[in-house]
Amino acid sequence: DAEITQSPRHKITETGRQVTLACHQTWNHNNMFWYRQDLGHGLRLIHYSYGVQDTNKGEVSDGYSVSRSNTEDLPLTLESAASSQTSVYFCASSVVSSGSYNEQFFGPGTRLTVL
Amino acid sequence: AQSVAQPEDQVNVAEGNPLTVKCTYSVSGNPYLFWYVQYPNRGLQFLLKYITGDNLVKGSYGFEAEFNKSQTSFHLKKPSALVSDSALYFCAVRRMDSSYKLIFGSGTRLLVRP
Repeated sequence: DAEITQSPRHKITETGRQVTLACHQTWNHNNMFWYRQDLGHGLRLIHYSYGVQDTNKGEVSDGYSVSRSNTEDLPLTLESAASSQTSVYFCASSVVSSGSYNEQFFGPGTRLTVL
Repeated sequence: AQSVAQPEDQVNVAEGNPLTVKCTYSVSGNPYLFWYVQYPNRGLQFLLKYITGDNLVKGSYGFEAEFNKSQTSFHLKKPSALVSDSALYFCAVRRMDSSYKLIFGSGTRLLVRP
């Protein structure tokens, strides 16, 4: 079955370190998204991509970057981790279809702790 | 500005009773609305969506939602709650800028007691 996976599921790192969170989907979806989930804020969009070589900033993109070299993967990099980036991170994907709007499918999440 | 509000942080209901989780939205034009559920230590799972057509939308696990344009609401409902329905529920609306981005509410925790 097609799925969307994230790794690692849990990560502890130190302030200032570079961290990369992986997201891999086998749905063959063009659209991919990264969110962070924090208590009281719901999900906030970090970055998104509509296809290979396409990346866009979301509402909370400072300190994060993404790259899209193939359809399946959208890794999220924290250039220099900060304690404020302690959160649960979710990757999602959706298919593009003409004349409709399709729901996003979510990965299981990565819990990141920055000490 | 486009926004989604879930006015209740938590909803408590007894098993077998009907449940309602509230959502209101603020967008210009015709909204695309979604409900997702999140179980502990899991990602969000899609429940249902409203794009157009019938105001009563049926989804997974016996859930349904009613779109009310005049009240700008999209409340999630279920006729008979189960203990296993206990989870975090998110309402979301598509941004009206022809993108594929969603705006999420802050979430409502549903607790169904036996």
